[in-house]
Amino acid sequence: DGGITQSPKYLFRKEGQNVTLSCEQNLNHDAMYWYRQDPGQGLRLIYYSQIVNDFQKGDIAEGYSVSREKKESFPLTVTSAQKNPTAFYLCASTRNRINMNTEAFFGQGTRLTVV
Amino acid sequence: RKEVEQDPGPFNVPEGATVAFNCTYSNSASQSFFWYRQDCRKEPKLLMSVYSSGNEDGRFTAQLNRASQYISLLIRDSKLSDSATYLCVVNGISNFGNEKLTFGTGTRLTIIP
Repeated sequence: DGGITQSPKYLFRKEGQNVTLSCEQNLNHDAMYWYRQDPGQGLRLIYYSQIVNDFQKGDIAEGYSVSREKKESFPLTVTSAQKNPTAFYLCASTRNRINMNTEAFFGQGTRLTVV
Repeated sequence: RKEVEQDPGPFNVPEGATVAFNCTYSNSASQSFFWYRQDCRKEPKLLMSVYSSGNEDGRFTAQLNRASQYISLLIRDSKLSDSATYLCVVNGISNFGNEKLTFGTGTRLTIIP
């Protein structure tokens, strides 16, 4: 079955450590997105990528980094520069056809906790 | 001004009532519009796309008003299972000229028995 997979589901990080969240999709989607969600809040865009080897900052990119070396994969690194990284992280993908209704598919999310 | 704005609620509505949410967007070049549903501690899932002519799916009706730049979601005969957060999503063109998906902050709905 096609889908989008995030791992791990739960992640604990010590302060000062970098950590990488995985996002893989086999939907042959061009565009991929990372969002952060805090308790009781909406989704805020961290980074997004429309094609391989290209990505743009979203609204809250500071303290995060991404890469898009393969169409299927869009890993997110939460660096030690991110002051408050504890949150629910969601990865999404779309077909990237702006003139059609491009539904976004989500992974199940990763809950990151800094201890 | 935020790109996509929603009333965060919460909306506490008795079972069987009708409830409506609105969402405004700032980019007049936006192309695609959606309503997503998110249950507590879960990922968002597509509820329905929003078409220019308006569309209905059972108890749910979505409308788009391009002139005023808002979309709406109407839920009739609300059920306890409708309790969730409803997210407005707009797919438009970013400042870089490529596609960008933007979410509203969500409206929390609780249906009361």
